[in-house]
Amino acid sequence: DGGITQSPKYLFRKEGQNVTLSCEQNLNHDAMYWYRQDPGQGLRLIYYSQIVNDFQKGDIAEGYSVSREKKESFPLTVTSAQKNPTAFYLCASSSAGIGYTFGSGTRLTVV
Amino acid sequence: QQPVQSPQAVILREGEDAVINCSSSKALYSVHWYRQKHGEAPVFLMILLKGGEQKGHDKISASFNEKKQQSSLYLTASQLSYSGTYFCGTAMFSGGYNKLIFGAGTRLAVHP
Repeated sequence: DGGITQSPKYLFRKEGQNVTLSCEQNLNHDAMYWYRQDPGQGLRLIYYSQIVNDFQKGDIAEGYSVSREKKESFPLTVTSAQKNPTAFYLCASSSAGIGYTFGSGTRLTVV
Repeated sequence: QQPVQSPQAVILREGEDAVINCSSSKALYSVHWYRQKHGEAPVFLMILLKGGEQKGHDKISASFNEKKQQSSLYLTASQLSYSGTYFCGTAMFSGGYNKLIFGAGTRLAVHP
């Protein structure tokens, strides 16, 4: 079955540590996205990419970095520069004219 | 730039109807609707493109008025399974990338 796999489901980060969230899709979608969701809030766009080796900043890119070396993969790194990283992170993919397919999310907590 | 959703929350009895609205200050190319259950990922419901077409999905339908930059989601004869948070996502062509900007969401609770 096609879909998007995010891992890990839960992640704990210490102060000053970088962590990487994985996102893999086998839907052959061109575009991939990372969103952040805080409790009771909507989804805010961090980064997006339509083709391999190209990506664009979203509304809240500071403190985050991404790469798109393969069409199937779009990992997100939360760096130590992100001062308030505790949130639910959602990865999504799409092709032209169709809705997003979301992964099951990664819940990141700073300890 | 974030679309505005109204109302913020709705409480229904099974079988009642509801309308959720989404409005934008920017010209829109398309509007998406998603439903999210607590602790889960959002699930795609439908997409509406420029042209004011109305779409349906079981007893859930939506309209898009591009001139008013508004979309509405109609839930008729609500079921318990309709409970969740509904998000609209709006898209504008931006250098070829069709990224979505989501509203803050409308929480819907359906009770027996």
